[in-house]
Amino acid sequence: GQSLEQPSEVTAVEGAIVQINCTYQTSGFYGLSWYQQHDGGAPTFLSYNALDGLEETGRFSSFLSRSDSYGYLLLQELQMKDSASYFCAVSWRSSGGYQKVTFGTGTKLQVIP
Amino acid sequence: DGGITQSPKYLFRKEGQNVTLSCEQNLNHDAMYWYRQDPGQGLRLIYYSQIVNDFQKGDIAEGYSVSREKKESFPLTVTSAQKNPTAFYLCASTLGQKNTEAFFGQGTRLTVV
Repeated sequence: GQSLEQPSEVTAVEGAIVQINCTYQTSGFYGLSWYQQHDGGAPTFLSYNALDGLEETGRFSSFLSRSDSYGYLLLQELQMKDSASYFCAVSWRSSGGYQKVTFGTGTKLQVIP
Repeated sequence: DGGITQSPKYLFRKEGQNVTLSCEQNLNHDAMYWYRQDPGQGLRLIYYSQIVNDFQKGDIAEGYSVSREKKESFPLTVTSAQKNPTAFYLCASTLGQKNTEAFFGQGTRLTVV
């Protein structure tokens, strides 16, 4: 089956940099995505990596190593509004040929002054 | 504006009753998904549909049913067979195969009273 591991909680200081790691196990791997969810809200898409390397989008960057089944989300210049839960999600091909997306349990980021 | 709409936002159900959650999208996306989120947990896949008139069970389909008669609509019925239905339900859509940017609705919070 599929499994993803990410830390349950992370605390960081405003203005600092934080890295949230994600390791996964899956077959039929397509790519790794990251989502942000504020309390009571809907997840919003942040980034997607299908190939090895770093993808940068403003203050957020995401990294993937397919050989290590590992990725991370890097948040720079942290702001208070970045306090939220962050989910990694793996896209994979099921035995029936369907694309499926499996989410990790999320990392709750608390940004402190 | 294009988007994905869930209704209602809050829903109360008596034990033993079936209830249907609505999900509509005008993004012209082929694939739609239903997830369940429990407090402090990740998103668990209930059902998904890649095309009209076709849908597949996810990881926790027992006690739920869906239909996909139109591309825009993917309603979820929570039946009385679902033993612990109180949760936050999220509907999502993606453009299609291998396109993993998922757009989420604002969710329906179902409470059994």
